[in-house]
Amino acid sequence: SQELEQSPQSLIVQEGKNLTINCTSSKTLYGLYWYKQKYGEGLIFLMMLQKGGEEKSHEKITAKLDEKKQQSSLHITASQPSHAGIYLCGADGQGAQKLVFGQGTRLTINP
Amino acid sequence: GAVVSQHPSRVICKSGTSVKIECRSLDFQATTMFWYRQFPKQSLMLMATSNEGSKATYEQGVEKDKFLINHASLTLSTLTVTSAHPEDSSFYICSAENLGSGYTFGSGTRLTVV
Repeated sequence: SQELEQSPQSLIVQEGKNLTINCTSSKTLYGLYWYKQKYGEGLIFLMMLQKGGEEKSHEKITAKLDEKKQQSSLHITASQPSHAGIYLCGADGQGAQKLVFGQGTRLTINP
Repeated sequence: GAVVSQHPSRVICKSGTSVKIECRSLDFQATTMFWYRQFPKQSLMLMATSNEGSKATYEQGVEKDKFLINHASLTLSTLTVTSAHPEDSSFYICSAENLGSGYTFGSGTRLTVV
């Protein structure tokens, strides 16, 4: 089964600083998804990556999928308090039709 | 955009009773829905895949007789926690696959069994 390893598990950064969260897969990724969650609430979809080398940006968040399609990174530029939360990477394998998640990264932004 | 409605958002029940959680896709048809469980400070654990018109596929270690899943229509899947016990207290969240647009999640249900 697809296993996703996220790092770091916890991250505390000062407001205005940049940060990166990584997601590594044990198998080739066919669809890689990034979500944000406030604990106890639903998931907010951020981005979906499918092609090797693909990169997408939305506002101050950029996600990349490496050429081998086994690692993805999420980069936040000039972090703000609104970026605080739990970031989850999820992946569905070829034909698997189910989305499994990494263990999540808890992001805290200090003012 | 695609919206998934999950109800109730919070429920408290007595030990031994059953609780039903509903997951509805509001503006799209979902042949496949998924149920997850989330423990405090942990990630989402996939419990089962719910397929419209057929039996759900449960992940290893998930008791199918305890967590009953019904997906009777293209817009509704239900999860019933039967004979609930305090250890079943958790955050349950559903998602629906919207073909071509990925997965949309409900807002979750916090179940407390007392």
